[in-house]
Amino acid sequence: DAGITQSPRHKVTETGTPVTLRCHQTENHRYMYWYRQDPGHGLRLIHYSYGVKDTDKGEVSDGYSVSRSKTEDFLLTLESATSSQTSVYFCAISAGTGLPNEKLFFGSGTQLSVL
Amino acid sequence: DQQVKQNSPSLSVQEGRISILNCDYTNSMFDYFLWYKKYPAEGPTFLISISSIKDKNEDGRFTVFLNKSAKHLSLHIVPSQPGDSAVYFCAASGGGYQKVTFGTGTKLQVIP
Repeated sequence: DAGITQSPRHKVTETGTPVTLRCHQTENHRYMYWYRQDPGHGLRLIHYSYGVKDTDKGEVSDGYSVSRSKTEDFLLTLESATSSQTSVYFCAISAGTGLPNEKLFFGSGTQLSVL
Repeated sequence: DQQVKQNSPSLSVQEGRISILNCDYTNSMFDYFLWYKKYPAEGPTFLISISSIKDKNEDGRFTVFLNKSAKHLSLHIVPSQPGDSAVYFCAASGGGYQKVTFGTGTKLQVIP
């Protein structure tokens, strides 16, 4: 199994509070991603990183920010959580070879509930 | 705009029979397609993939077929086993991007 750890695994918070989810990898992979999984929408990309301090937006980035200060850590922050951000969040990594057959390796997910 | 579509949210199949999961895409820039499998409370894991230059790729009980003209791919599982019960996501990449686009998923239940 790829060494990917997400924390926390479960989080309940209130609307308007800031929340930070952490992803830690031990594979030294270049690319890291944050996805959210929702019924009827599958997996949607929030943000991704292609190196330390290098990040870009995905298709559902509004309301989220990310930071990557070290190769192994990728943080996802909800500045002011809303109920629409209740979801399961997955971190993923890839080697960043640029080859089209590159696989993603996923963490076990964080279940976030915003009340 | 859903570029990768899995129109069947769920599928039930008897153990030993064939499971066929379908996926359609709209973006002609996609040139690589992957299937991921997800068990409850776990992250998705890679299952099988196919390049757009091929029309079939086989790995044990799993075969993926690609019809580029129809922008359609399918995953065949033969024979289906109870351990195959999971959510299957179709995914596509291409156009020079590192980003992968996922479908909505199909929940497969294999009945013993």
